[in-house]
Amino acid sequence: RKEVEQDPGPFNVPEGATVAFNCTYSNSASQSFFWYRQDCRKEPKLLMSVYSSGNEDGRFTAQLNRASQYISLLIRDSKLSDSATYLCVVTGYSTLTFGKGTMLLVSP
Amino acid sequence: EAGVTQFPSHSVIEKGQTVTLRCDPISGHDNLYWYRRVMGKEIKFLLHFVKESKQDESGMPNNRFLAERTGGTYSTLKVQPAELEDSGVYFCASSQGTKGEQFFGPGTRLTVL
Repeated sequence: RKEVEQDPGPFNVPEGATVAFNCTYSNSASQSFFWYRQDCRKEPKLLMSVYSSGNEDGRFTAQLNRASQYISLLIRDSKLSDSATYLCVVTGYSTLTFGKGTMLLVSP
Repeated sequence: EAGVTQFPSHSVIEKGQTVTLRCDPISGHDNLYWYRRVMGKEIKFLLHFVKESKQDESGMPNNRFLAERTGGTYSTLKVQPAELEDSGVYFCASSQGTKGEQFFGPGTRLTVL
């Protein structure tokens, strides 16, 4: 079983749509959780951290369910510039464990 | 302030040759990480330096890979001899503290023919 599992997509959505990504992780001892964004042939960049209480940053909402070992990301009012691969990332002590990523394509 | 830089951006070598990748972390970041993405797979951890010491090298695939960080500044990752399966994108990241946000460099795309 993969340590971090994500639906690879692609998710094709029109501008303005709401889209949700999910991720599950296998290591119950994982301590921190993140969503990274990676544009084509670029480096991953931190999008947001994920907390059990849920957190929101503008159009982005992230949620963590430790009991189910499940992480989600909701993007509202999708923009063309949101097109990218979204990486679910968990960490124990310091090293990051990545999922393969979910590709999002937002079309006009 | 400059971000994490990596050199070269691309490298194409033949099987059996040696390649050395370089990473310059953000100034003042004691923690330096190497990751690799092989085509079709997820990004995987290779090793972690704290200053010049190897904190965790559990992700290094085999003894053909040698990482150094002399003086606790820049780091090099040498692959010798390179094999076909070493092809991929090698990312370096740095962070201020062990739990701090990791900032990634643009990566080195290595192709072994």
